[in-house]
Amino acid sequence: LAKTTQPISMDSYEGQEVNITCSHNNIATNDYITWYQQFPSQGPRFIIQGYKTKVTNEVASLFIPADRKSSTLSLPRVSLSDTAVYYCLVGSGAGSYQLTFGKGTKLSVIP
Amino acid sequence: GAGVSQSPSNKVTEKGKDVELRCDPISGHTALYWYRQRLGQGLEFLIYFQGNSAPDKSGLPSDRFSAERTGESVSTLTIQRTQQEDSAVYLCASSPYSEETYEQYFGPGTRLTVT
Repeated sequence: LAKTTQPISMDSYEGQEVNITCSHNNIATNDYITWYQQFPSQGPRFIIQGYKTKVTNEVASLFIPADRKSSTLSLPRVSLSDTAVYYCLVGSGAGSYQLTFGKGTKLSVIP
Repeated sequence: GAGVSQSPSNKVTEKGKDVELRCDPISGHTALYWYRQRLGQGLEFLIYFQGNSAPDKSGLPSDRFSAERTGESVSTLTIQRTQQEDSAVYLCASSPYSEETYEQYFGPGTRLTVT
């Protein structure tokens, strides 16, 4: 599984767009990039997954450059309820089920 | 629909006792995972079940840890002779089998405290 590197923490004011970048220099050809969100005292929750270019859903957008060595999770207009830890994972689906969750990025949204 | 459920939500036990943690996956999900999360840390993979295949136990930290799953239903994680370093939140997740998605559905976890 490709190793990922992401910032330990970030602060943002309410209403701002937040971009969290994850580096994955050793990503394999068939690897997908997945992001999870974890609130205190809860299990992680799937946010978004992508392979290349841009993916958008009702929660977030995921930007992946052509070389796929990094990815950026974009959260539009964050609110206090977006305060959580965000994990970036890289792997190739059911064949690589040992998800490696690092420490993630602790996002704190400030009023 | 119902999500992944785990019981108990909290467990306090004395060092040296055995504990059993339970996970009820989402109906129809063939894959089931157990993770451990120590305070302030990321998740550590423990074990993976996929259908009736032999489980991948490569993440179990010692032979005091074991897990069972009957078919595609409930799973139990057993920790024998608990130690203080076993204190953590134990998370279970399930997913449908897929070659292309990494979407796992997590339960709320069981917080284990070994005194």
